[in-house]
Amino acid sequence: DSGVTQTPKHLITATGQRVTLRCSPRSGDLSVYWYQQSLDQGLQFLIQYYNGEERAKGNILERFSAQQFPDLHSELNLSSLELGDSALYFCASSLKRASYNEQFFGPGTRLTVL
Amino acid sequence: KNEVEQSPQNLTAQEGEFITINCSYSVGISALHWLQQHPGGGIVSLFMLSSGKKKHGRLIATINIQEKHSSLHITASHPRDSAVYICAVAQGGSEKLVFGKGTKLTVNP
Repeated sequence: DSGVTQTPKHLITATGQRVTLRCSPRSGDLSVYWYQQSLDQGLQFLIQYYNGEERAKGNILERFSAQQFPDLHSELNLSSLELGDSALYFCASSLKRASYNEQFFGPGTRLTVL
Repeated sequence: KNEVEQSPQNLTAQEGEFITINCSYSVGISALHWLQQHPGGGIVSLFMLSSGKKKHGRLIATINIQEKHSSLHITASHPRDSAVYICAVAQGGSEKLVFGKGTKLTVNP
């Protein structure tokens, strides 16, 4: 158990809908990273937050947004969902802000868009 | 060309064999991560290294910064080592990780 929690584990929804994925980092970790893993693209970095502020952006679509709250949990919002958004979404946390620190991964949320 | 290349893509071994998975990258990095993803989907961080060699149990990771290459070795492989092993690099000056496509390892009893 990494200490990182993600909810829900599974999510099935329809095209055009909006969903929110939630991540609670390990106790004491200030950085949260979001990743998307699809069959054709593999793992891709989406976005990173450190202590409430956005630190880095990767291949995140404009339809997606995220935030980190004062209690350090983070939410990833996906809107106007398309079939191609079906993927595993992982969050990870680390103590410090740089990606060269060890990251601890949550169990993931499997999103299926029908 | 991907910034992070792993080889082989798939690897099948017999229990007890010594296994090597390779990772080559084309950018300057501050660190390299080896991750393990189990069939159920969960990801575990195995190593994070920026130079030299690290060992944890039967797993050994090495990195050669000059050659932009890292290897993950598994000694005395076991069926429970069956998983996808993913190499990821932390690009110098950037906060993001760039991932290889993974190596699927199957260890048969």
